Amino acid sequence: QSVLTQPPSVSGAPGQRVTISCTGSSSNIGAGYGVHWYQHLPGTAPKLLIYGSNNRPSGVPDRFSGSKSGTSASLAITGLQAEDEADYYCQSYDNSLSASNVFGGGTKLTVL
Amino acid sequence: EVQLVQSGAEVKKPGESLKISCKGSGYIFSNYWIGWVRQMPGKGLEWMGIIYPGDSDTRYSPSFQGQVTISADKSISTAYLQWSSLKASDTAMYFCARQSTDNWKHFDYWGQGTLVTVSS
Repeated sequence: QSVLTQPPSVSGAPGQRVTISCTGSSSNIGAGYGVHWYQHLPGTAPKLLIYGSNNRPSGVPDRFSGSKSGTSASLAITGLQAEDEADYYCQSYDNSLSASNVFGGGTKLTVL
Repeated sequence: EVQLVQSGAEVKKPGESLKISCKGSGYIFSNYWIGWVRQMPGKGLEWMGIIYPGDSDTRYSPSFQGQVTISADKSISTAYLQWSSLKASDTAMYFCARQSTDNWKHFDYWGQGTLVTVSS
């Protein structure tokens, strides 16, 4: 069971907007640590989409955006495209007894 | 251009040892933490541990402490992940990733992954 909780799957039609949630606790997201989002296509390296909760690396389309509130964070994808179909993971740091980087369980995005 | 290039796929038997590598280029290798991430078949990403090649300071996820060894040779810009006695449950894809030096500590560059298959 992951420290950060994500929905197993989300879906949307081309052009639509979808959001993926990432729920943590007071020892990770709620403690003020940044939340980062990665896109992962099978057989490839994960790709950084959002860092520090709402910052986009250069080259990432502005269709991708992130937000954070309290102990949760969200990734929003607007103008959904077929190429967005992938697994998405949130990641943060946890300062509990098992202090370490932690990933969410991942969310499979299906473009209908 | 920053690159992390991992060693090739491995097929091993239970009980055998293994050391896989991750070679960095395009940046000062010693100055960035390198992390290792596991993805078991059909499962999500799991953070295993991280090393600072500059002084070999190493941190492990409690789930992997004692199960693997992370090391680095800064003279050849290479980090390693090793097992002394593999189990079938070690079958997975393993990624290395560079951690950023800003306050956010995200993983900004990733290796292509090394598939490890452990089967008798």
